[in-house]
Amino acid sequence: DIIMTQSPLSLPVTPGEPASISCRSSQSLLHSNGYNYLDWYLQRPGQSPQLLIYLASNRASGVPDRFSGSGAGTDFTLKINRVEADDVGIYYCMQSLQIPWTFGQGTKVEIK
Amino acid sequence: QVQLVQSGAEVKKPGASVKVSCKASGYTFTTYDINWVRQAAGQGLEWMGWMNPNNGNTGTAQRFQGRVTMTKDTSKSTAYMELSGLTFEDTAMYYCARGGYDYRRDFDYWGQGTLVTVSS
Repeated sequence: DIIMTQSPLSLPVTPGEPASISCRSSQSLLHSNGYNYLDWYLQRPGQSPQLLIYLASNRASGVPDRFSGSGAGTDFTLKINRVEADDVGIYYCMQSLQIPWTFGQGTKVEIK
Repeated sequence: QVQLVQSGAEVKKPGASVKVSCKASGYTFTTYDINWVRQAAGQGLEWMGWMNPNNGNTGTAQRFQGRVTMTKDTSKSTAYMELSGLTFEDTAMYYCARGGYDYRRDFDYWGQGTLVTVSS
């Protein structure tokens, strides 16, 4: 199985400041079609997860442009340009290159 | 609008089976895969398997093979996930999620979750 490792696991943030989460995979997520099969999800407290970023760098429909995804191969990053109070929750990366799809441990983002 | 509505909470005894439903609306049911993901209390997300509602093909994480059965009723736009041989460790929130269209494999819509509690 592909192991996904996120850091940090806890991220206190100040509203208006930027934030960044790293996700590393135990093997490359680059498919022969040229896409990196890495997605980002946010799970707000008490809610179902929601898709933020797909294929490493594409914002999902309705996701504010404060969120951006980058990276390729085994190293990926989710950046929040200016954190807002509504951004609190647990962020997960997930690989969908090879079954079983696997998630990172999650990064808990909270307001300072 | 796209919606996935899951069945209600269940309480089961060890050794029993549970069947969770996921009713899709707002899109053509057979166009997208349905995935199942579970989450124990305070824990992370764990992918269990997927089903193609068009042809019924399925894929299951190895740790669930032999215990998970994914089926569909296309006439009701509903997917089902049955988990057998329940143990206390199967107590979790179970989610269905839409995914797998064309080259994409992400989960763009999720159900509200079904809490399954295994208790003696």
